[in-house]
Amino acid sequence: SQQGEEDPQALSIQEGENATMNCSYKTSINNLQWYRQNSGRGLVHLILIRSNEREKHSGRLRVTLDTSKKSSSLLITASRAADTASYFCATALGIGNEKLTFGTGTRLTIIP
Amino acid sequence: SAVISQKPSRDICQRGTSLTIQCQVDSQVTMMFWYRQQPGQSLTLIATANQGSEATYESGFVIDKFPISRPNLTFSTLTVSNMSPEDSSIYLCSVIQGGGTDTQYFGPGTRLTVL
Repeated sequence: SQQGEEDPQALSIQEGENATMNCSYKTSINNLQWYRQNSGRGLVHLILIRSNEREKHSGRLRVTLDTSKKSSSLLITASRAADTASYFCATALGIGNEKLTFGTGTRLTIIP
Repeated sequence: SAVISQKPSRDICQRGTSLTIQCQVDSQVTMMFWYRQQPGQSLTLIATANQGSEATYESGFVIDKFPISRPNLTFSTLTVSNMSPEDSSIYLCSVIQGGGTDTQYFGPGTRLTVL
């Protein structure tokens, strides 16, 4: 069964605007990872945040994690047409149980 | 990060046949996994490929249908056996390099269509 739900399922914004996607999960985790997938191709790893971290940045990406609410968010600032893709969150339970359980995904469309 | 390749990148197969998908990594990795992504869906773990021993399958997936081999620390295969149209999916391998990192990297995927 899916560990996580992502919200919204689909998001369309104008180029240059910020995009925020949310991920909720059900059990305690060791880490949460965000991925991008372009048109049914392989997944590109974006960022990993551990359960003892609250926020991480990577370029135009900002990820937050709230373990009390079992939720995470991915913010993409100053969006570009090339950011058009599906975004997935995935959770890992811990050492010895590194397999990932994926959320439902958000389809992001950037309008030029 | 590890460079992962998969062969074939795509295939169209007839029902009842089998297809073996290869996953090759450019460096030794501690863990390898196989996932399935059905059309329009998210990813679901099929199994953990264990080096030199039988794979560990998730609920709903069985060895007879998805036999997996991992003869060494850089290579694994997944076979989709006795295929039906319901097996049409993208199949992806992923790896964890180890050495203190638990970031999981994915291969480019194999897009399988079963007629």
